[in-house]
Amino acid sequence: EVQLVESGGGLVQPGGSLRLSCAASGFIFSKYYMHWVRQAPGEGLVWVSLISEDGRNTGYADSVRGRFAVSRDNARNTLHLQMNSLRAEDTAVYFCVRGGDDFIWGQGTMVTVSS
Amino acid sequence: EIVMTQSPATLSVSPGERATLSCRASQSVSSKLAWYRQKPGQAPRLFIYGASTRATGIPARFSGSGSGTEFSLTISSLQSEDFAVYYCQQYNGWPYTFGQGTKLEIK
Repeated sequence: EVQLVESGGGLVQPGGSLRLSCAASGFIFSKYYMHWVRQAPGEGLVWVSLISEDGRNTGYADSVRGRFAVSRDNARNTLHLQMNSLRAEDTAVYFCVRGGDDFIWGQGTMVTVSS
Repeated sequence: EIVMTQSPATLSVSPGERATLSCRASQSVSSKLAWYRQKPGQAPRLFIYGASTRATGIPARFSGSGSGTEFSLTISSLQSEDFAVYYCQQYNGWPYTFGQGTKLEIK
């Protein structure tokens, strides 16, 4: 069974940092693009970042470029999202998503940016 | 950035009836279009990808159609679990983008 389990969310002050992780299982992790998507409370879905199978290519939404960094460890089947200079508007549930046409989503981890 | 527009924002339908949700792209996305259902407190679940291919485990009462800029999701004979928010998403060009969602509610 394909599983994606996010962790690392929590409460952080504006300007702070947080590192999210996503543990993947049930598929060959190194063969898939991976993505992060977020959803602010009561709002819609926004694509945040993507990373290629080998980690060489990445992409970011304009709203997070320069502050967030996506990475992956194919030996440990793990995806990461390093989030720096966090703002109140970054408050959201962050989902890890497996690429390919048949997108598979994790259950998400909540990030709250507040003083 | 490709803008995805869903209509209507809210659709009221009786159980057992048919519902059709629409999604329009600001430029062609070929057939790189997915549909998701999201219930409160849950992650989105993929229902349709490639504009018309049902994801694993999705019943045949769900069907997707369209290509280019105009797409639709049809749910025949609505059941109680179908009442939720539905999102379309294009994955033809980065950044991938979502529609704002259609809330399917019980009439």
